[in-house]
Amino acid sequence: EAQVTQNPRYLITVTGKKLTVTCSQNMNHEYMSWYRQDPGLGLRQIYYSMNVEVTDKGDVPEGYKVSRKEKRNFPLILESPSPNQTSLYFCASSLRAGSNTIYFGEGSWLTVV
Amino acid sequence: AQTVTQSQPEMSVQEAETVTLSCTYDTSESDYYLFWYKQPPSRQMILVIRQEAYKQQNATENRFSVNFQKAAKSFSLKISDSQLGDAAMYFCAYRSVRDYGQNFVFGPGTRLSVLP
Repeated sequence: EAQVTQNPRYLITVTGKKLTVTCSQNMNHEYMSWYRQDPGLGLRQIYYSMNVEVTDKGDVPEGYKVSRKEKRNFPLILESPSPNQTSLYFCASSLRAGSNTIYFGEGSWLTVV
Repeated sequence: AQTVTQSQPEMSVQEAETVTLSCTYDTSESDYYLFWYKQPPSRQMILVIRQEAYKQQNATENRFSVNFQKAAKSFSLKISDSQLGDAAMYFCAYRSVRDYGQNFVFGPGTRLSVLP
């Protein structure tokens, strides 16, 4: 089954404690991306990757890091989380950047206290 | 940069009635895709309908249809025979067909309530 898998789905953490949200896709997609969803703002892009070892900033990259060492994985790293990073996070992938079909993970609720 | 606007933060509809959700966008490109996504309480992102800008015919998926007005940059979603399961947040989204990474833009969403 084609899917994008995110972990953890729910996490409460404390300010400053490094955390990683993993994302994996099984469709051999070139393009992967991270979004955060906040009330009244919709989904905003954090980082994206056009292919292995190619990553770039989206609209709201501050406080986040990513890596793309393998095609299937695209982890989101919060080196020093702060309360303003409390949000719902989505990983997504598509065959390439201009594809008309994009697959979303189920979302990860992150609360930073 | 492209922007997507949904001017109705909340809407409600009576069960079995019809409701239309509005979306406008801004772009200088001539070829692109437009989407409506549904987000139920589970928070999954579910594709409702997709429209290719080069197609003049409005997309339809069962009870869901769109009114795509390219010149006006408008892309509204019509839900006919509304059901309780249609209650959700609905996002309008734009995607360029070009090979750009930063090319998927979402609106702020419209929360739809369905009244029994």
